[in-house]
Amino acid sequence: EAGVAQSPRYKIIEKRQSVAFWCNPISGHATLYWYQQILGQGPKLLIQFQNNGVVDDSQLPKDRFSAERLKGVDSTLKIQPAKLEDSAVYLCASSLVGVGYEQYFGPGTRLTVT
Amino acid sequence: AQTVTQSQPEMSVQEAETVTLSCTYDTSESNYYLFWYKQPPSRQMILVIRQEAYKQQNATENRFSVNFQKAAKSFSLKISDSQLGDTAMYFCAFDREGSQGNLIFGKGTKLSVKP
Repeated sequence: EAGVAQSPRYKIIEKRQSVAFWCNPISGHATLYWYQQILGQGPKLLIQFQNNGVVDDSQLPKDRFSAERLKGVDSTLKIQPAKLEDSAVYLCASSLVGVGYEQYFGPGTRLTVT
Repeated sequence: AQTVTQSQPEMSVQEAETVTLSCTYDTSESNYYLFWYKQPPSRQMILVIRQEAYKQQNATENRFSVNFQKAAKSFSLKISDSQLGDTAMYFCAFDREGSQGNLIFGKGTKLSVKP
């Protein structure tokens, strides 16, 4: 079974530039999550999709971050414009629908904003 | 709001020894789920073990077991017969019933297994 795929793996941009991350979840997983993991901290949920609808985006900085999940499969997360404090690893995860299920994580995208 | 606290930023253990990682959480919920996830260096985060709050029996997965104390809101992870491959960041996470999977993670414990 193929795992969660993410690209790119690494990205370096200057502040005020824009960047996009892509995620392909495990086939059959209706729920998709984007997390931000700042160095030395645990992941923090940014947005959660169920199929192509948003379940929770309460911690997404909506003035600069946006995300979409077209057709309920792949998802993209965009930052525009980036700030220095956005430097982090962005993790995508997927799971079956419901509470208590295991989340399967991708390798992450390490973003450095200079 | 729910919080998860891991009080040990770093720990080390000798190969074949046993180590216990601590986790406490704060919630007013009665039904919830607790997890330990492992994040090896430069590798993907994977689930180690899962506990449902309404089950009194502690979960076990091979060399990994938990000590779940609901009244104390404590959820520690015991790793027996530590192996070099256990070297990783370990995150405790909380998922309340009704959240539909919105995990709240602790800051993690960096475990080093020494030969």
